[in-house]
Order: sequence, then structure tokens, then C-alpha cells
Amino acid sequence: DAGVTQSPTHLIKTRGQHVTLRCSPISGHKSVSWYQQVLGQGPQFIFQYYEKEERGRGNFPDRFSARQFPNYSSELNVNALLLGDSALYLCASSLGHLVMNTEAFFGQGTRLTVV
Amino acid sequence: KQEVTQIPAALSVPEGENLVLNCSFTDSAIYNLQWFRQDPGKGLTSLLLIQSSQREQTSGRLNASLDKSSGRSTLYIAASQPGDSATYLCAVFTGTASKLTFGTGTRLQVTL
Repeated sequence: DAGVTQSPTHLIKTRGQHVTLRCSPISGHKSVSWYQQVLGQGPQFIFQYYEKEERGRGNFPDRFSARQFPNYSSELNVNALLLGDSALYLCASSLGHLVMNTEAFFGQGTRLTVV
Repeated sequence: KQEVTQIPAALSVPEGENLVLNCSFTDSAIYNLQWFRQDPGKGLTSLLLIQSSQREQTSGRLNASLDKSSGRSTLYIAASQPGDSATYLCAVFTGTASKLTFGTGTRLQVTL
């Protein structure tokens, strides 16, 4: 069975540009969450989507947005890139909305470098 | 605001040793706690999930305990191997925010 897949694996962008990151959850999982991990830190929550609706949002500026599609895949968009947006972006997949009794499974991440 | 702390930040042990990684959290109103492994530059691999009603979980050489009232969890690794070298992260799920809150991790190196 395929796990959580993210694309692309690596990306280099220039300041001010826009970027779109993609995530496909595990088959049967309806919840997708996005996390940002800067070097040496733990992942920080950005968004959670369930059944195509935003269910949670972390403390990130409006330059960050996301959406979930009918097939439960998701995109994370970041506008007006800053150097500080350079990080590993992780997507997590889980069965349900509140994830209370289920594990979160993570993809391999997208390494974004802003120059 | 939930805060998660992991001690130590880094640890180096010889192969074969048993070791304990610590995780503490400030808000005991959690639904579950999850331990992850992360290899350099890679994503997270789930190791163990402990529900708030449970005291421990075991998987192979790994055993995780949870003391919710005191806000603590430990990950015990038995008979460590060089392949165990990685960063270990703990995360707690707080339902009101629908998110995992992570610690900064313990970087483990197991030497030959």
C-alpha cells in the first residue's frame, strides 16, 4: 500500500515567488494536515483539512493557504516567498477529523529553499 | 498553550545499551501522544501511539509509557543498534486545536 506521497521532493524558489506543494494521503484517509519544520526544530502546524473543509489553522500569515480536493489530496500554497519560508514541509494523513484515536502518518516532505 | 519539551537534546551511546528518551508536556488535556523517528532530511516515521487512557505501548525493542497527570512520557529503546541512530520526536494531540504539538526532538547516535 502506498503511504503518504508528497511532490516535489525538493524545490528552489526566489524571494517573492509563489509555490504549490502537493500531498496525496493514504487510501481511505480523509484528513490531511500540513506542517513546517525548520532546521533543528520540531514541526509546526499550518493547516488541517477534513472532507474538503479547513478544520484547523496554525499561527502562519495569510500568505499560506491550502485546499483539499474531492479525492482527499491537498495542496499547500505560499505566496510572496520570504527567505524564512525555507523549510521542510510535511504532510500528514489520518483517518478522521479529530485524530483522537488514530495515528498520523507523514510523507517524506518537500524541501523548499528560498534564495 | 501546549508546550512539549524533550530531554536530552542529543545522546550518544555504544551499541547494545538500553536507553530512555524523555518527553514532557504542559497541558495534560491530551487525546494521545505519538513518538516518531526522523532520519536526516527525511519525513517522520510513526513508532508508537499511546491513547490518553493507556499507560504504555510496546513495539519490538521499543516501549513507550505515558503519565498523563504529570505530563510525561518516556521512550525506552532496548539493546540499541547503529540503525537506531536518528532524531526521535514526541508529539501530543490536543483535540480543541486539531493539531499535533511537537517537541524539538532528541538526536540519538548509537556507536559501534
